[in-house]
Amino acid sequence: EPEVTQTPSHQVTQMGQEVILRCVPISNHLYFYWYRQILGQKVEFLVSFYNNEISEKSEIFDDQFSVERPDGSNFTLKIRSTKLEDSAMYFCASRWTSDLHEQYFGPGTRLTVT
Amino acid sequence: SQELEQSPQSLIVQEGKNLTINCTSSKTLYGLYWYKQKYGEGLIFLMMLQKGGEEKSHEKITAKLDEKKQQSSLHITASQPSHAGIYLCGASLPNTGNQFYFGTGTSLTVIP
Repeated sequence: EPEVTQTPSHQVTQMGQEVILRCVPISNHLYFYWYRQILGQKVEFLVSFYNNEISEKSEIFDDQFSVERPDGSNFTLKIRSTKLEDSAMYFCASRWTSDLHEQYFGPGTRLTVT
Repeated sequence: SQELEQSPQSLIVQEGKNLTINCTSSKTLYGLYWYKQKYGEGLIFLMMLQKGGEEKSHEKITAKLDEKKQQSSLHITASQPSHAGIYLCGASLPNTGNQFYFGTGTSLTVIP
């Protein structure tokens, strides 16, 4: 069964460093998402991406964040200058259309900023 | 913004017992989704409800959406340790494009 994959599973970085989190969505899906979950808190929407551009973003997704689909298979989330409060689990998700189809989630990348 | 409140926040039940988790929205829902998250892992899709009054079942899990499409319940019959995890409701709203909101989560522990 096709699945969304994410790498790395765990990333430790120092405050102020740039990180890139990678996702490979399911191949025929058209809509891509990033979410984050700070430990003990709810899963929060960050950004949605369709047709090579951002379709929506939350207030969390400020100028420090960017997303890219560089090669038609990978979908990346970049955090330019990490802060301690960026420590969280980051989930990528994809779905086939924007209609009511379930999103398929990756296993997540745990980002620890020290 | 959309708020999805879940209750209870946590639940500890004996194996074999039935249980219900509720999800209440501050706004009319376009679609309501239930996901399960095992501790430290990703989210697994369980069910989607779209129509008011709709009810769906899969194995021992039944989800319902009320007529007004502002409240959903997830019912587990004869719970098993494999049901343990965090249950999340999620939803999108009409005219919000691709924004998706999750509830606060319900942590379920099933004691063998």
